[in-house]
Amino acid sequence: QVQLVQSGADVKKPGSSVTVSCKASGGAFSSFTFNWVRQARGQGLEWLGGIIPISGTADYAQKFQERVTITADESTTTVYLKLNSLRSEDTAVYFCARIDGGPGYKYGFDDWGQGTLITVSS
Amino acid sequence: DIQMTQSPSSVPASVGDRVTIFCRASQDISSWLAWYQQKPGQAPKLLISAASSLQSGVPPRFSGSGSGTVFTLTISDLQPEDFASYYCQQSNSLPLTFGGGTKVEIK
Repeated sequence: QVQLVQSGADVKKPGSSVTVSCKASGGAFSSFTFNWVRQARGQGLEWLGGIIPISGTADYAQKFQERVTITADESTTTVYLKLNSLRSEDTAVYFCARIDGGPGYKYGFDDWGQGTLITVSS
Repeated sequence: DIQMTQSPSSVPASVGDRVTIFCRASQDISSWLAWYQQKPGQAPKLLISAASSLQSGVPPRFSGSGSGTVFTLTISDLQPEDFASYYCQQSNSLPLTFGGGTKVEIK
C-alpha cells in the first residue's frame, strides 16, 4: 500500500499563493490517479482536481479552474497543488488521495495523505 | 455538477444498533458511488467502492447498496469504533462530488 506524506501547515496572506506537496512511496506512481480534496473546519469534503502523472494532464473542478494547478513529478514521485489568489474561504485542510482500484476516476480514494492545514489570514 | 444529498445529517445510536444512511444523486450515476468514514483529526477512510464492494479489511457489518440515484450504507451491530462521520461520493462524472456527511453519534 502506498504511503502519502504531505508538506506541513502554512499561513498565507490573502491574495498570495500556496503550494502543497504530496510524496508517494511504497507503491506504483505514474499510472494512478492522484487527487486533491479539501475540508474546511467542521465542513464536508470538496474535490479540487486530479492528475494521472504519466499523462501529465490534470482535471479540475470548474469552481477552481482559474486558481488551481496540479502537477506531478515522476522522478520524485511527488504530486503538487498550487492555489493562487488565496482568500479567507480557502482556509482548510488539504488532502491528497490516490485511487487504487483502476484507471481514471471511477473508483474511490483508497490512500490518503495526513492532510495539510492552510490558513489564509491577514 | 452532480449534487449528492445525504440523510440524515446526524443519527443518534447505541452500540448494537443497526444504522442506515441514505445518499441521493441528482442524476443517474449507475453504481459509481463510494462511502467513507472519517474520525476527528483523521483523513477519510474508504469503506465501500462501486456502491457495494467492501474494501479489504473493512468489517462485514458495513454494507452498501443501490444504483441509479438512491444508495444506502448500513452498519449492522454498531460498534464503539463506528461513531464517526460518513460521506458518500459519486465517481460517475467530473467534478467528483461528495454528500454533506452524516454524523453517527452516541445516543
